[in-house]
Amino acid sequence: SQQGEEDPQALSIQEGENATMNCSYKTSINNLQWYRQNSGRGLVHLILIRSNEREKHSGRLRVTLDTSKKSSSLLITASRAADTASYFCASLSINDYKLSFGAGTTVTVRA
Amino acid sequence: DTEVTQTPKHLVMGMTNKKSLKCEQHMGHRAMYWYKQKAKKPPELMFVYSYEKLSINESVPSRFSPECPNSSLLNLHLHALQPEDSALYLCASSPGRANYGYTFGSGTRLTVV
Repeated sequence: SQQGEEDPQALSIQEGENATMNCSYKTSINNLQWYRQNSGRGLVHLILIRSNEREKHSGRLRVTLDTSKKSSSLLITASRAADTASYFCASLSINDYKLSFGAGTTVTVRA
Repeated sequence: DTEVTQTPKHLVMGMTNKKSLKCEQHMGHRAMYWYKQKAKKPPELMFVYSYEKLSINESVPSRFSPECPNSSLLNLHLHALQPEDSALYLCASSPGRANYGYTFGSGTRLTVV
């Protein structure tokens, strides 16, 4: 039940730079979440933004949500080599409470 | 305990075998989930259990049979699988209320030969 798209598909940056990735979704949502996945193993929940929120911060993470455009962005500031991973947005449908994942962005941080 | 534990981590099975994947959490979460993830693709929802009852089945073939024996355990019984079922199977749990993230296990990498 892949819900939306993410761009870019892949991102390569230098350590210390910022990484920005975008996500679009299709249905009305209760909230939107971002997850990180290292090397095809389990996903780690990073941050959740509710449908009535526009921006949220957590440490080096900043998430925005635009429900009129059905889109969200994740900004990672001052990136580190340990941030190398795949990042997925996931939208929780307000209709059936299914959590559906976007296509993902693979981020590589070069030392 | 803030983890979801999945066993086994790797499984190779023949198309005529029967095997089970196990998932356990002790966070008091009331919702548990199975997701399937193919290489370089996002996770896809398979089943949702809420308060130990199956609430969502995403039209998954009957060769996959979920079971929730109690609020801490979730099993996925596998029978007569096909090679295309090879994937990473992820279990997750959540408190069951809307505005909480999911806690995922590290997955079982399944290969069907």
